[in-house]
This record gives sequence, C-alpha cells and structure tokens, in this order.
Amino acid sequence: AQKVTQAQTEISVVEKEDVTLDCVYETRDTTYYLFWYKQPPSGELVFLIRRNSFDEQNEISGRYSWNFQKSTSSFNFTITASQVVDSAVYFCALSEGSTLGRLYFGRGTQLTVWP
Amino acid sequence: DGGITQSPKYLFRKEGQNVTLSCEQNLNHDAMYWYRQDPGQGLRLIYYSQIVNDFQKGDIAEGYSVSREKKESFPLTVTSAQKNPTAFYLCASSIGDRSSYEQYFGPGTRLTVT
Repeated sequence: AQKVTQAQTEISVVEKEDVTLDCVYETRDTTYYLFWYKQPPSGELVFLIRRNSFDEQNEISGRYSWNFQKSTSSFNFTITASQVVDSAVYFCALSEGSTLGRLYFGRGTQLTVWP
Repeated sequence: DGGITQSPKYLFRKEGQNVTLSCEQNLNHDAMYWYRQDPGQGLRLIYYSQIVNDFQKGDIAEGYSVSREKKESFPLTVTSAQKNPTAFYLCASSIGDRSSYEQYFGPGTRLTVT
C-alpha cells in the first residue's frame, strides 16, 4: 500500500493565485517525520521542510506554508501568490522511526504557474 | 562548495551492457542512497548505505549493485539483468540514518538504454 498519497497529479494556476498541494500519509509509528521536496526542471530535488509527528504547529516561510493535521493524516503545502518560478514537481515524503533512514515518497504533483 | 555530484548527466548504453553511475559527496555524510524515478512516479529506493563497507537493498534492488568503499563515494552499477534500466537516477546523502535527517540530492543521471 502506498504510504504517501498525492492525489493531485497536475495543477495549473495563473501567477498570483494561491495553490494548495495535498499530501496524505499512512503509518502505524507514533514517531515519524514528514518532508516536502521541490524538483525543478533541472531534476535535482530541493529540501523544503521537515515536520515531526509531535509538532502540529503550522509553519510559514515567506510565501510557503504547511498545514499538518494528525487527525486526518495530512500534511498540505500552500503557496501564496504563486510565481512562474514555483513551477516544478513537488514531492511529499514520510520517514518512520522504525525504518531508519528510509524515505517513502508520494508520486508528486506537477505544478505549472502561467504568467 | 559542499554538495553531491553525479556524473554524467546523460548516459546512453546498448542493451546487454553494464553501466556504472557515479555519486560523490563532500558533505561528510555517513548515509547515502540511490533512487530511481520514472515518469509520473515518485522516487523508489534501490540501495542505501548507512556506513562505509555496508549497504542494504531497497525496494527495487534486482538488477543493480553498489559498493561503499569510501565514505564520500557510492557508485551504482546497472547490470544487464535489469529489465527496464531506462530511467532518471538520483543519489542522496544524509548526516546519518536517523529518520529525522533530511536527505540532500544530487543533480541526477538520465540513463537511456537502447
């Protein structure tokens, strides 16, 4: 079974629109970590954020914000006032305390921001 | 600058040939990983190494082999036994193998086998 589900395969928005990328995870561990990575057209994955399972505080970093809700097993990512440079594939990933070092990735969401 | 290098960026091979993909890091990280990415798919783990001279199979290790003789190097060999080798290969490293550590990725190698 897929441990991380990103149901949105592709999203297109126009510049300055807000956009939310969904991520739903599945784990039986009480200790786990959630990550978001960005993959621009160049191919290299760029680390954006890590959250641990004991910290449900939302986080904001500039135009990026993350909403972690254990009750719905979700870790959604919102980009406010999107820009063309935000166009990329975004991956959500899970690391469980019981499987050291293993990252389980979702299939990614291709975000296209049009000028 | 510290980082992960993968070479070459594009690689072409004939079917039946083994090919080795290079991955080098100067971040002084203990753990290193190899992933495969196919269109529309997430990243799938091929092999990982938590320490020098030790490595474990990931989810799709068949047809691949690795070595970890030096801390900074983790080459991946795609053998002729790999039925569908054309893909984008990404190498990553992290400080250690704890689940809290983020992984840092190299630029990837796009392998095409015809």
